[in-house]
This record gives sequence, C-alpha cells and structure tokens, in this order.
Amino acid sequence: SQQGEEDPQALSIQEGENATMNCSYKTSINNLQWYRQNSGRGLVHLILIRSNEREKHSGRLRVTLDTSKKSSSLLITASRAADTASYFCAPISSGSARQLTFGSGTQLTVLP
Amino acid sequence: DAGVTQSPTHLIKTRGQQVTLRCSPKSGHDTVSWYQQALGQGPQFIFQYYEEEERQRGNFPDRFSGHQFPNYSSELNVNALLLGDSALYLCASSRREFTGELFFGEGSRLTVL
Repeated sequence: SQQGEEDPQALSIQEGENATMNCSYKTSINNLQWYRQNSGRGLVHLILIRSNEREKHSGRLRVTLDTSKKSSSLLITASRAADTASYFCAPISSGSARQLTFGSGTQLTVLP
Repeated sequence: DAGVTQSPTHLIKTRGQQVTLRCSPKSGHDTVSWYQQALGQGPQFIFQYYEEEERQRGNFPDRFSGHQFPNYSSELNVNALLLGDSALYLCASSRREFTGELFFGEGSRLTVL
C-alpha cells in the first residue's frame, strides 16, 4: 500500500470561507479516498474518486484528481465551525485495496 | 443498523501489563482492520482479519496479536505494554468484496503509565 501526503499540515480559516487541502502520492492508483476525523473520534469516509474520474462532488465537498501529477485536492466550500477536524487522504493501488495507509493529515480549524 | 462498535472506550494500564480491545464490525461486513493512532499522527495499520485469519500485517511487533471470531467480531491483544503503546486504537470494517470504503469505530483510548 502507499501513503498519501497531505498538505498543508494545518489550515485556519474563517467561517464562510473555502478550505482547500491537497494530497500527493507516488505510484499509480485505482482510486483515492478522503476521510475526516473529529478530535479523538473515529474516521468518517467522505468521498471516493476513481482513477478515471477528474472531479467529484458531494454536497459542499469537491474532490479533484490529477493522475499525471499524482495529486488530489479536497475543497470544502462555505466552511462551518463543524468542519473543524483532521482530513486524511488514502490512495488505493491495485493489490493493496484492503490496507489503507494514512499520512499525518491536514488539521483544519474553522473560526466562528 | 449498528455501525462499528469498540470497547472499552478508555482504559489505563501500567507498563508490562496486557490489554485486550474488542470490536464488532458493521452489519454485513466480514473484514476487520486495526489501526494505532498516536497523538498528532495519522492511523497506522496494525493488521487485518477475515475468515478468522490474519491476512495482512503492518510493521508492528509480535506483542500485538489478534483474533477474529466466527461472528466476525475481533480482538486486539497487546502484551508487555510499553509507554509508547499509549494511543487511540481504531477498528475498521469492510466487506471482503472491498469497494474501498472503510467504516471506523470511535476507538479505544489506551493510556500506559
């Protein structure tokens, strides 16, 4: 399995602003997932984008995938205080689908 | 439909002791993975069980062992606890026909004194 690297490590914005975080990986993938973790809680699956997709939307979330650059971005529009959490990406390669590997994540703080 | 449940939620042990953590997967799931998450870090893969056998293992010593029962529930055992074992232990379940999404429990917070 391969680990995604999230960037930035920390991001602080005002409520109502958009938040963008990035993920880079090293080898070809089948799909890439994003998870959210509220402090001290379990991870929650947000969205999965397949390698043949370039963009995907879910509510206020927009995920893009650029396989040529081996990178993905997660955009949260009109951020709310409740979006304060850590965000992790998990790139999935063929043969390693059962083992997700996480980086250190992006800690997003949305200030009221 | 109950999600992934873990117990206990919090526990305190001393160095050298042993601990057992428990996990019940989401209904319809037959695969359980365990992760260790130290403070400020991302979750690290410990191992995965399905069909009652360990199928994949991360870079963890033999002090970490597990078991899966016929009803798909699982246990994580850690022997000879070290201070560095203090962490949030997360259980995640999925179907064998893995579609990519893992469902996580809320974790067991272990403190080793």
